Amino acid sequence: GVTQSPTHLIKTRGQQVTLRCSSQSGHNTVSWYQQALGQGPQFIFQYYREEENGRGNFPPRFSGLQFPNDSSELNVNALELDDSALYLCASSLVLAGVNEQFFGPGTRLTVL
Amino acid sequence: KNEVEQSPQNLTAQEGEFITINCSYSVGISALHWLQQHPGGGIVSLFMLSSGKKKHGRLIATINIQEKHSSLHITASHPRDSAVYICAVSVWYSGGGADGLTFGKGTHLIIQP
Repeated sequence: GVTQSPTHLIKTRGQQVTLRCSSQSGHNTVSWYQQALGQGPQFIFQYYREEENGRGNFPPRFSGLQFPNDSSELNVNALELDDSALYLCASSLVLAGVNEQFFGPGTRLTVL
Repeated sequence: KNEVEQSPQNLTAQEGEFITINCSYSVGISALHWLQQHPGGGIVSLFMLSSGKKKHGRLIATINIQEKHSSLHITASHPRDSAVYICAVSVWYSGGGADGLTFGKGTHLIIQP
């Protein structure tokens, strides 16, 4: 399955954070989503074979990396209070446009 | 940008009732996803469909591409079905690349014993 670490994280405004995701073995695509309380998830970006392959409406201080060993990272610089949310990663094996995504349990980030 | 609307936002029903959750979207898609989210955050993919109908146990999902509408049905509902059900759509581009899923706000379902 898909795992994420840490489970919970508390940071202060202005700090930087790195969230990690381990994809399902063999999957070539990882997507990151931000879910504010009471809202549906919002697409941050997607990586396909270690290259960014699509981005939602998020500023450049949200960045990512995808590694060959099925792991990936979401980095957020200059944290703001509104960055407090559940961050979800989802991995998928993209074949002929099919993109069934498998979600991790999420990392809950609190920015004080 | 695709817009995904779900209804109802909240639904409380008695055990055994037939449940329907609706989803509509505004532009063409590659696939529509129905997801389930329990308290604590974990999301489970229930269905991914691009046409017709799919069934898994007591869950049925249908999609009408022409009307840009999908429904999720739960037969013989049970308290363990209580969760947030989320509709999401995906769009893939023929030239490569993709948008991530665009989500509805979810339907909060409570099944009372």
